[in-house]
Amino acid sequence: GAVVSQHPSRVICKSGTSVKIECRSLDFQATTMFWYRQFPKKSLMLMATSNEGSKATYEQGVEKDKFLINHASLTLSTLTVTSAHPEDSSFYICSASQDALGSAFFGQGTRLTVV
Amino acid sequence: GDSVTQMEGPVTLSEEAFLTINCTYTATGYPSLFWYVQYPGEGLQLLLKATKADDKGSNKGFEATYRKETTSFHLEKGSVQVSDSAVYFCALSEGQGAQKLVFGQGTRLTINP
Repeated sequence: GAVVSQHPSRVICKSGTSVKIECRSLDFQATTMFWYRQFPKKSLMLMATSNEGSKATYEQGVEKDKFLINHASLTLSTLTVTSAHPEDSSFYICSASQDALGSAFFGQGTRLTVV
Repeated sequence: GDSVTQMEGPVTLSEEAFLTINCTYTATGYPSLFWYVQYPGEGLQLLLKATKADDKGSNKGFEATYRKETTSFHLEKGSVQVSDSAVYFCALSEGQGAQKLVFGQGTRLTINP
């Protein structure tokens, strides 16, 4: 199947700093990418949907100024957690899709710890 | 809004045991239903899916049937293996594609030899 690579897999940062997470589709062009967040013992929650070349669409309750999403090319989307705080510590997962009817392929996730 | 509820884990079974992981959903329309699996250190992988009522998805010995009358999509396997140890997620999407997904909380399955 298609491969989606997410980097880094783990990151620890100090409170107040910003962290960038990359999501790349390695062998296909992703018109749409999705960012999810998973809290401990909870389900994955969709944060935002990004389409290449346009602004991301954020789900209700997600702060767009805190979670900056850029989808500058058909193979790369980035999530930047700005001015991170301990409550932002979580597991972040991206997925990518080639088209509207196709399956979504997931990255391996990024464990963010803010200290 | 749409939601998915799956049985809480962790679930621990012996090899060759029968597996059922329950999943029920709430949706306003006619969603597509999915099971994803996440092996240790890897991303979520699509295990199987069903796009309409009474459809049965199957893969790697796993099966799930889309039951509209009970709003369920339970995952079953007749004889599990150690290699099936993973976290399993039930999910739905409003369209046929798997793009915007609503997930259950995941069920961790451990199979002992």
